[in-house]
Amino acid sequence: AQKVTQAQTEISVVEKEDVTLDCVYETRDTTYYLFWYKQPPSGELVFLIRRNSFDEQNEISGRYSWNFQKSTSSFNFTITASQVVDSAVYFCALAGSNAGNMLTFGGGTRLMVKP
Amino acid sequence: DSGVTQTPKHLITATGQRVTLRCSPRSGDLSVYWYQQSLDQGLQFLIQYYNGEERAKGNILERFSAQQFPDLHSELNLSSLELGDSALYFCASSVVSQGSTDTQYFGPGTRLTVL
Repeated sequence: AQKVTQAQTEISVVEKEDVTLDCVYETRDTTYYLFWYKQPPSGELVFLIRRNSFDEQNEISGRYSWNFQKSTSSFNFTITASQVVDSAVYFCALAGSNAGNMLTFGGGTRLMVKP
Repeated sequence: DSGVTQTPKHLITATGQRVTLRCSPRSGDLSVYWYQQSLDQGLQFLIQYYNGEERAKGNILERFSAQQFPDLHSELNLSSLELGDSALYFCASSVVSQGSTDTQYFGPGTRLTVL
């Protein structure tokens, strides 16, 4: 069985602060894929990043960065210098190779960035 | 804009009724997925179709059914609706590559309210 845990249900920061969203996963698959999606107040789910289990390199994209650590089964997401437009619910998701393309989502973290 | 379209955007109906949600995948994507997002269950995978054939099934109720047509659009049929079926229903699409798990791109969702 696959499981994704996002322990932080809600985080509130002031603009320009850095914030890290935690994601811990469980899977028995040796090959798997991890994803982050953003759900802004308008409701759609926006893809942010996809990472496979063989690639532990950290990734940076503008103000966003991701830290993947297989040893701790974590795939954390950091926003540097947060902005009000970053306010959204962020979901971590897992797809194991034996589960086909089915995504198992975490419960989401609601990020509120105040001006 | 992900390129995945869903209609209608909102749907309000009564208990016991039947509704059909429609999804058109991104151009070139052969696989369609349906997910349900509710307050108590979070984001849950319902069903996947690939090129017209059912590929995987998740926690989909027997009252729910889906199909994918030759033009690759998909419909999710919900019948004998109950109050608890009120949720945001997402469609996603992806290219399905051999030996890999592709990124799923989500549509804007259909918000179903059962009164």
